[in-house]
Amino acid sequence: GQQVMQIPQYQHVQEGEDFTTYCNSSTTLSNIQWYKQRPGGHPVFLIQLVKSGEVKKQKRLTFQFGEAKKNSSLHITATQTTDVGTYFCAGGAGGYQKVTFGTGTKLQVIP
Amino acid sequence: GAGVSQSPSNKVTEKGKDVELRCDPISGHTALYWYRQSLGQGLEFLIYFQGNSAPDKSGLPSDRFSAERTGGSVSTLTIQRTQQEDSAVYLCASSFSGDDTDTQYFGPGTRLTVL
Repeated sequence: GQQVMQIPQYQHVQEGEDFTTYCNSSTTLSNIQWYKQRPGGHPVFLIQLVKSGEVKKQKRLTFQFGEAKKNSSLHITATQTTDVGTYFCAGGAGGYQKVTFGTGTKLQVIP
Repeated sequence: GAGVSQSPSNKVTEKGKDVELRCDPISGHTALYWYRQSLGQGLEFLIYFQGNSAPDKSGLPSDRFSAERTGGSVSTLTIQRTQQEDSAVYLCASSFSGDDTDTQYFGPGTRLTVL
């Protein structure tokens, strides 16, 4: 079945440094979503990418969808302590097929 | 509110007892997922309901786990003869899928502790 892996599993950064997490699917995707889970909370939707090579930005967050629609990345510029949490990607196969979550990257920001 | 709700928020039970966890999805959402998340771990897929189709049960860890979705809305996850390794947060999510919009809305979860 479809597998979605993320690297790194953990990342500690100094506040103000940049951070990137990478997501790789074993199969071609219809769409990719990104979620953020704060400590003690539940995953919250951030964004969805649909088009090959698509790039979207939300303030300091930049999301990319690979040309082959099998990988994606989330880049945070100048991290802040409010960025702490676990970031999950989720691959959609399209139609009514189930979405598969990635393994997650836990971000810790050191003030 | 209009979000996904789950009950109870916390459940403490003794080993060997059965438990039922409830999920009320967002009205009109055709897809419903159950996940399990152990402390500090990722999301473990359990089961997926989509409309009137047969559910995808491929993530259920054992035959002690079962789930129903009645009337295409409320879902109940049942764990029979609970074991200590079943302790985790059980998350439910719903989405309106089919038009390439697979955004999942998560409930707050049920924290299950098996003593």
